[in-house]
Amino acid sequence: DGGITQSPKYLFRKEGQNVTLSCEQNLNHDAMYWYRQDPGQGLRLIYYSQIVNDFQKGDIAEGYSVSREKKESFPLTVTSAQKNPTAFYLCASRSGTGPYEQYFGPGTRLTVT
Amino acid sequence: QQQVKQSPQSLIVQKGGIPIINCAYENTAFDYFPWYQQFPGKGPALLIAIRPDVSEKKEGRFTISFNKSAKQFSLHIMDSQPGDSATYFCAASTHSYSGAGSYQLTFGKGTKLSVIP
Repeated sequence: DGGITQSPKYLFRKEGQNVTLSCEQNLNHDAMYWYRQDPGQGLRLIYYSQIVNDFQKGDIAEGYSVSREKKESFPLTVTSAQKNPTAFYLCASRSGTGPYEQYFGPGTRLTVT
Repeated sequence: QQQVKQSPQSLIVQKGGIPIINCAYENTAFDYFPWYQQFPGKGPALLIAIRPDVSEKKEGRFTISFNKSAKQFSLHIMDSQPGDSATYFCAASTHSYSGAGSYQLTFGKGTKLSVIP
């Protein structure tokens, strides 16, 4: 899990509620990413941020929002507009220079009923 | 053109066997090919990575073979152990900064490996 923490590990919400997933890193990495993982679907990119106060939509951004006010933090909000929010959510980070390796956090499993 | 196709979806081998997982890509701009290992309920961990200027890279029991002309790369696990049972993902990325989408990893859909004693 390296220096990336995600909390909580499990999260339960009722349909129609917004929920925010936390991601913090102490690796001094510039770039941070959010992925969604569903069985048999691999990892799909939701949002990413190359630097503070800037972020870009990934392949499946609809129904999600993010902020990047601090280098260490990249929270993801799953809004009520997300049609099928139940999934395993993974945060990752990458150094801004040198190798392109992305390092992942332990993930948050969100269940919406 | 951004897809990475991974096969097989699942693989069962006996202890000591050599499972092979294959990936293929279309985008010739990809120049970084990592493999990740994921245990149930955990985040993926970087296992090994290769760049297209070499045809093979070994790290311990894990080997990546890369065929640039065929746009294919594969992971071989030598002397597989039950502890290697996990889901393996290949991925690909470009290293050149070109605005939106830079450095993004495109993942295959994963291969669930089971190594039986």
